[in-house]
Amino acid sequence: QTVVTQEPSFSVSPGGTVTLTCGLSSGSVSTSYYPSWYQQTPGQAPRTLIYNTTTRSSGVPDRFSGSILGNKAALTITGARADDESDYYCVLYMGSAIWVFGGRTKLTVL
Amino acid sequence: QVQLVQSGGEVKKPGASVKVSCKASGYTFSSYGISWVRQAPGQGLEWMGWISTYNGKTSYAQKLQGRVTMTTDTSTSTAYLEVRSLRSDDTAVYYCARTGVLSGFDWGQGTLVIVSS
Repeated sequence: QTVVTQEPSFSVSPGGTVTLTCGLSSGSVSTSYYPSWYQQTPGQAPRTLIYNTTTRSSGVPDRFSGSILGNKAALTITGARADDESDYYCVLYMGSAIWVFGGRTKLTVL
Repeated sequence: QVQLVQSGGEVKKPGASVKVSCKASGYTFSSYGISWVRQAPGQGLEWMGWISTYNGKTSYAQKLQGRVTMTTDTSTSTAYLEVRSLRSDDTAVYYCARTGVLSGFDWGQGTLVIVSS
């Protein structure tokens, strides 16, 4: 059973930069997993931030960027704002029409 | 713009079945698959499965095999999720999402299903 790993929590200061990562319990994440990233605040549906590793969804500010860092997918947020405080999920495509969600990172801005 | 509108919340008894609908608009329905994703209270997102709106091919998460069925009606651009033999741990918000390998997920508003005796 493949597990997609994310940091359970992260903290960033207002105006700061934070990089959240998305890895695999076994192996390395590459662009072939087509990683995507989603932001969710309590009581709301997820919002798409990044798909296909680096492509920002429509309306997403360029403070959010996606990449591959080493053996993981990464979401970098620059100029963190109070309203960035949310849960963040990565999703990896495993092939054969199977996707797996990471366990989420709870981001605190303080 | 892409819009996915889901049916309203449901309350079901253990052992019953539930069927949730997801009506798509703003794009060509048969060009993207539909995933179903659920979120139990206070928990993370769980991918349940995917259906091709082109040919009806399905892919289900292993833990749900045999209890869920995903279908589509291309004449109305609507996808359906049926979950059978409901248990209390099926209580969750269920989301449909337009899904593409290259395009990621575009989300419906969610449907709360409560399983309680």
